[in-house]
Formats: sequence, C-alpha cells, structure tokens
Amino acid sequence: QKEVEQDPGPLSVPEGAIVSLNCTYSNSAFQYFMWYRQYSRKGPELLMYTYSSGNKEDGRFTAQVDKSSKYISLFIRDSQPSDSATYLCAMTGSSGSARQLTFGSGTQLTVLP
Amino acid sequence: DSGVTQTPKHLITATGQRVTLRCSPRSGDLSVYWYQQSLDQGLQFLIQYYNGEERAKGNILERFSAQQFPDLHSELNLSSLELGDSALYFCASTAGGTSGGETQYFGPGTRLLVL
Repeated sequence: QKEVEQDPGPLSVPEGAIVSLNCTYSNSAFQYFMWYRQYSRKGPELLMYTYSSGNKEDGRFTAQVDKSSKYISLFIRDSQPSDSATYLCAMTGSSGSARQLTFGSGTQLTVLP
Repeated sequence: DSGVTQTPKHLITATGQRVTLRCSPRSGDLSVYWYQQSLDQGLQFLIQYYNGEERAKGNILERFSAQQFPDLHSELNLSSLELGDSALYFCASTAGGTSGGETQYFGPGTRLLVL
C-alpha cells in the first residue's frame, strides 16, 4: 500500500464548476501538506501549503486538512480552463523517512470552456 | 519561473549508455533534491544533497549517482541505461534541507528517452 493515495482521475468539468481533489495518507508522521500544480511538460509548482488541521484559503483555492482522518482536500471554485493541469498532493514531516517529500500519483484535471 | 534551472531539456540516448543531468538551484539555496517522474511510478524521490554532502537517499538505483559541487550546482549521473529509465527527471531546491517542511521549488525537468 502506498503511503499517499490519490485518485488519478482523469477529471473533466465545465468552466465555473467547483472541483474537489482528495488524498489520503497512512503515515502519522506527516505534518506538512502541500498541493502542487503541474502543467504538461513543466515542473510542479507549489499551489498551497498547510500545516495544521483546518482550512486555508487563497483566492479560488481552499486547502483542507483533517489529520484525524488522514485526509486532505483541495477545492477549486469557479474553475477556469487555465486550471487544466495535473494536481499533486505532497506531504512531509520532521522525523525519519517522513522528512522527504512524498507525492500522490496526481489527478489530471480538464476544465472545459 | 522557480529560479531552478536544468539542462538539457531533452535527451535521447541508447540502452547501455551513460548520461549526466545538470541542475542549478535557486540563488542562496543549499539543498538540491532529485526526482524521477514516470507514468507508472509518479514522482519518486531519488536523492538529496545539502551544501555538498549527501543528506538523504530515496529509491535511487545503484546505476545512478549524484554529486553537488562547491558552487552548489548538482549533477545526476545515470549509467548502463535501460528502457525503463525513460522518464522526466526533476531537481528541486530549498534554502535549508535539514528538517522537513520546507517548500521545494522545482526546475523544468529533463526528459530522458532511452531507445
């Protein structure tokens, strides 16, 4: 079983829809949670970074962390065609093997105009 | 633009050959991380260097090696290449790298195709 599980999709939504992307994890040592966006043939770029359980909002993006359930989510409101990309969840901790960034497999999102 | 540069962008080579990928971290960053991204394995951590010293190893094959030079640029050497080594190779950098939680900034990647 992988430490981080992410639904690979692909996910296709109409412009303006609310998108929900999710990851589950098994390692309790993970403390820092990130979402990266990767456009085709480009490097991943950091989208959201959260530490504690709860919600963090940045414009149209909201990251949610539930440490008790080992579940994180990314919500995209009013989705745009420019949001079409692969979204990778990633997490890390402060001790042992958890110190290295572990990625989910990525969810490919297409927003249709 | 993350500030991390990688060369070359594309590399086509044959099985059994050896290649070197190069990465320059963001100005001031001391740590460099190497990752392999393939369709079936996703983004896998290979190795980390911090200020010239190996800091952590992930799923790196014995045929692969890396080093970080005094000017902090890093090279990933891949030898005895196999078809399965075809992948995107990314490097990332952070300011520190001795504890978890730092934001990693990724370069644009090198696309390796082994024929």
